[in-house]
Amino acid sequence: SQKIEQNSEALNIQEGKTATLTCNYTNYSPAYLQWYRQDPGRGPVFLLLIRENEKEKRKERLKVTFDTTLKQSLFHITASQPADSATYLCALDEDSSASKIIFGSGTRLSIRP
Amino acid sequence: DVKVTQSSRYLVKRTGEKVFLECVQDMDHENMFWYRQDPGLGLRLIYFSYDVKMKEKGDIPEGYSVSREKKERFSLILESASTNQTSMYLCASYGPGTYEQYFGPGTRLTVT
Repeated sequence: SQKIEQNSEALNIQEGKTATLTCNYTNYSPAYLQWYRQDPGRGPVFLLLIRENEKEKRKERLKVTFDTTLKQSLFHITASQPADSATYLCALDEDSSASKIIFGSGTRLSIRP
Repeated sequence: DVKVTQSSRYLVKRTGEKVFLECVQDMDHENMFWYRQDPGLGLRLIYFSYDVKMKEKGDIPEGYSVSREKKERFSLILESASTNQTSMYLCASYGPGTYEQYFGPGTRLTVT
């Protein structure tokens, strides 16, 4: 079955720098991959979805890449701000039917002023 | 905006009690999900439903059941609560043509 690894449990960076989070998966290439933001005690909030035929997707200060050869997605936040501090989850479809998704355990990002 | 609501933010129950967690979404979504989230384990799928009266087991269905009598409502039932079911429970839904899930605020359940 599909497995996801988000390499870092926690990442601390200086305000203004670019934060880069990594999501690796095993087995088959998913039809799509998603990134969510989760604040403490709250439900995750959808940020971006990238499909298998897309290399890169952008939304404001966010950028997601998808490398099916490396079986990896990178999530970038440019010009990071303390308000970007949260846990970020990647998620992808569990099997080729794309009927349900599985989540990584998340990376806790802290942006220090 | 899609809204997913859950019946309680915090709940404390005793071992052996029957527990009902309710989830309601207001966007006519066919697909609804129940997850639990524990530190270091991420989100794990308990049950999901593609339509009224339909249900499918997720990765950890043991000790749980679900009910979907109306399209907008998906209930999670703990038949006999146990301490290892202490967790954050999250409901989510999504509609046709999209895979982005909309989550509720979560219910933090403590079983003593």
